[in-house]
Amino acid sequence: ETGVTQSPTHLIKTRGQQVTLRCSSQSGHNTVSWYQQALGQGPQFIFQYYREEENGRGNFPPRFSGLQFPNYSSELNVNALELDDSALYLCASSLYGQGTYNEQFFGPGTRLTVL
Amino acid sequence: AQSVSQHNHHVILSEAASLELGCNYSYGGTVNLFWYVQYPGQHLQLLLKYFSGDPLVKGIKGFEAEFIKSKFSFNLRKPSVQWSDTAEYFCAVNAQYTDKLIFGTGTRLQVFP
Repeated sequence: ETGVTQSPTHLIKTRGQQVTLRCSSQSGHNTVSWYQQALGQGPQFIFQYYREEENGRGNFPPRFSGLQFPNYSSELNVNALELDDSALYLCASSLYGQGTYNEQFFGPGTRLTVL
Repeated sequence: AQSVSQHNHHVILSEAASLELGCNYSYGGTVNLFWYVQYPGQHLQLLLKYFSGDPLVKGIKGFEAEFIKSKFSFNLRKPSVQWSDTAEYFCAVNAQYTDKLIFGTGTRLQVFP
């Protein structure tokens, strides 16, 4: 069973630039959620994708957007980067429809630094 | 809005000491409760979870947690910690039938031999 993988591991960008982060879900999973973990904080829910559509969103501006592909992998795009976007971005996959909660399995994260 | 509070930001213990990490949540409805652990350089892993039933739940590596509904609490415990328990611990909650996890700010545990 292949776990959740993310790429790249680290990324450095400057303010105003755009960035794309990638996530491959665990084998057999059809749902991907993205979280932002700032330094010293817990992860914060950005959004979730199921069946290639956004299925719930946290308190993040529209410049945070995503995609899910037919193979269930996903991208997180952030436009007009700001210094506060510096964080660890976590991807979690799950199998939708298992019951009251679909357990999420987390990837190792992408560390984004905005200068 | 749902929120999770972890009262201990940094805990330092010697091996064999007992551990209790506090977690309180604010949500009036039915919730699922979780403790996740993040070992240095590794990804978030589920330590234990509570959905319903026995309020005392046991997880991996000797950890357990007790759900006290009247106190909106879900404290994590371990009778005797080991050096390998050094990690960041996160309490999380989600409303039933949603997958959105709300995390606390985390507790950094350092265990010295």
